[in-house]
Amino acid sequence: SAVISQKPSRDICQRGTSLTIQCQVDSQVTMMFWYRQQPGQSLTLIATANQGSEATYESGFVIDKFPISRPNLTFSTLTVSNMSPEDSSIYLCSVGNRVSYNEQFFGPGTRLTVL
Amino acid sequence: EDQVTQSPEALRLQEGESSSLNCSYTVSGLRGLFWYRQDPGKGPEFLFTLYSAGEEKEKERLKATLTKKESFLHITAPKPEDSATYLCAVQAWETSGSRLTFGEGTQLTVNP
Repeated sequence: SAVISQKPSRDICQRGTSLTIQCQVDSQVTMMFWYRQQPGQSLTLIATANQGSEATYESGFVIDKFPISRPNLTFSTLTVSNMSPEDSSIYLCSVGNRVSYNEQFFGPGTRLTVL
Repeated sequence: EDQVTQSPEALRLQEGESSSLNCSYTVSGLRGLFWYRQDPGKGPEFLFTLYSAGEEKEKERLKATLTKKESFLHITAPKPEDSATYLCAVQAWETSGSRLTFGEGTQLTVNP
């Protein structure tokens, strides 16, 4: 499976500001995903980011709030814009299995606290 | 809408005490069912993929099974290092891309 890193690993931000989270993979992958895990809850998909096309957002998530970039096959960013305390979560990127496209492998996550 | 329900929410076992975790699912057409392990402060770690009813997969003390409505994760003679949250997720043929729908997880604690 791919080795996935995320930066930053954690951050504390003030409301109204924005934070960009980076996801780096050690091999080229077609499909990358961004998830949110709110405190004590399970994972919810924010969007799918494929290189060369616009990200596809899930219901309840919009591009103005969570803009995503996917400049190449090993890197993606998620920006959390105009943050409020409700955005305090762990944000995780994942990549699809290069062979079967079924399994997803996750990065270590970014723990965000908004004051 | 795809739905995944895991039970119990939390489970405490003594070392060596075998048990099972349940994952009930509703999906229009199952493409795959996935089990992950998540340790505190870390991302989920992939364990198993199951594709069809009757399929079983094993890894060390863990065995995952699948029926048309649910999956079980059997833990045989658990050790304290098996303590983690176990997540179940489904992927449907009809959903766009490869979206995973996750359950809430079962938090397993194994006491020495």
